[in-house]
Amino acid sequence: GNSVTQMEGPVTLSEEAFLTINCTYTATGYPSLFWYVQYPGEGLQLLLKATKADDKGSNKGFEATYRKETTSFHLEKGSVQVSDSAVYFCALGLSGSARQLTFGSGTQLTVLP
Amino acid sequence: EPEVTQTPSHQVTQMGQEVILRCVPISNHLYFYWYRQILGQKVEFLVSFYNNEISEKSEIFDDQFSVERPDGSNFTLKIRSTKLEDSAMYFCASSEEVAIYFGAGTRLSVL
Repeated sequence: GNSVTQMEGPVTLSEEAFLTINCTYTATGYPSLFWYVQYPGEGLQLLLKATKADDKGSNKGFEATYRKETTSFHLEKGSVQVSDSAVYFCALGLSGSARQLTFGSGTQLTVLP
Repeated sequence: EPEVTQTPSHQVTQMGQEVILRCVPISNHLYFYWYRQILGQKVEFLVSFYNNEISEKSEIFDDQFSVERPDGSNFTLKIRSTKLEDSAMYFCASSEEVAIYFGAGTRLSVL
């Protein structure tokens, strides 16, 4: 079956530090990969996506590259801000009429000033 | 920017009662979903809906759950007889092609 494994949290960084949140997946077929962010008290917001191997998704300074050879989609940001404090979810989706997402367990990020 | 809207933001109900959670998907989207997140756990898929019928559902989505698109804009999730373990955040979502967009969620508390 399909599954997503994220690095365990919580992650605490100082402002301007480099961020990596690891994500690996297992899937049949050719999935699309996503990162969602959940700020305190809010819903899930799509942060970035990649639909095929070697695609790089990017948004708000965050990047992730779809690596088929390592089945990974690690999230990176060069310089985090306090406002980036949130829970980050890696997810995969398969094409077809269902289009359901399989989520990782989420990684809590806290950025200290 | 278009968004998925959900009401209410918080619903409190007694065990055994029926609840209806409401959603307005993004207007040009064709696929609709419900997910839930029990506190501290993963976000879980419940059901997907396309062309006025359920296209896929998970094991969680048993006979106590139903979905409906009563008109051209609303998409609802009904739980017929709530249990304590139904307490969770319920997210509605919609999509056009690849990306799925989520609402802010309804927190359901079953007492």
